[in-house]
Amino acid sequence: AQSVTQPDIHITVSEGASLELRCNYSYGATPYLFWYVQSPGQGLQLLLKYFSGDTLVQGIKGFEAEFKRSQSSFNLRKPSVHWSDAAEYFCAVGDTGFQKLVFGTGTRLLVSP
Amino acid sequence: DTEVTQTPKHLVMGMTNKKSLKCEQHMGHRAMYWYKQKAKKPPELMFVYSYEKLSINESVPSRFSPECPNSSLLNLHLHALQPEDSALYLCASSQTPGTQETQYFGPGTRLLVL
Repeated sequence: AQSVTQPDIHITVSEGASLELRCNYSYGATPYLFWYVQSPGQGLQLLLKYFSGDTLVQGIKGFEAEFKRSQSSFNLRKPSVHWSDAAEYFCAVGDTGFQKLVFGTGTRLLVSP
Repeated sequence: DTEVTQTPKHLVMGMTNKKSLKCEQHMGHRAMYWYKQKAKKPPELMFVYSYEKLSINESVPSRFSPECPNSSLLNLHLHALQPEDSALYLCASSQTPGTQETQYFGPGTRLLVL
């Protein structure tokens, strides 16, 4: 089965600073990779996804992610964080064997003034 | 329109009650999902409906009973729940089943079992 690791439980970033959230996956073939964001008490919203092709993927709200096969990583980045970006971020991989999304444990982003 | 709606937003129920959660989408999606999310944890898949048929049951206790009356509607019937079932219940849908499909999530129903 596939697995996803988000090594950072919490990250605090100053408003206006750059952000990188880490995601590592375990899968033999090219994975389907997703980043979702969840604001407190809300459902999940898709930020971006990667299936194939260009390894740098652009998403909504100014986010981007880069797929690096050699490192089994799919890190999420944003050049300048806004206070409204404070939320929980989940990386997920599509498990084709079990036909389901496997989520990482999430990274909580705090934005300081 | 990429909206999945869920009702109610909040639900408090006793262990002997019967209640239902409702999920609706009008995007023409043919796959619908129920997830359970405990505090500070990722969502855990419970059920998947594919073309109105139950395709995945992640060994969920029988006190949770899903139903898909039509392609737009998904229910989760609750009976004799335990306090540890308190959680945020999320519904999602995708255009077709398959792990490459984007899942669109509703805002969830926050359930408290007393």
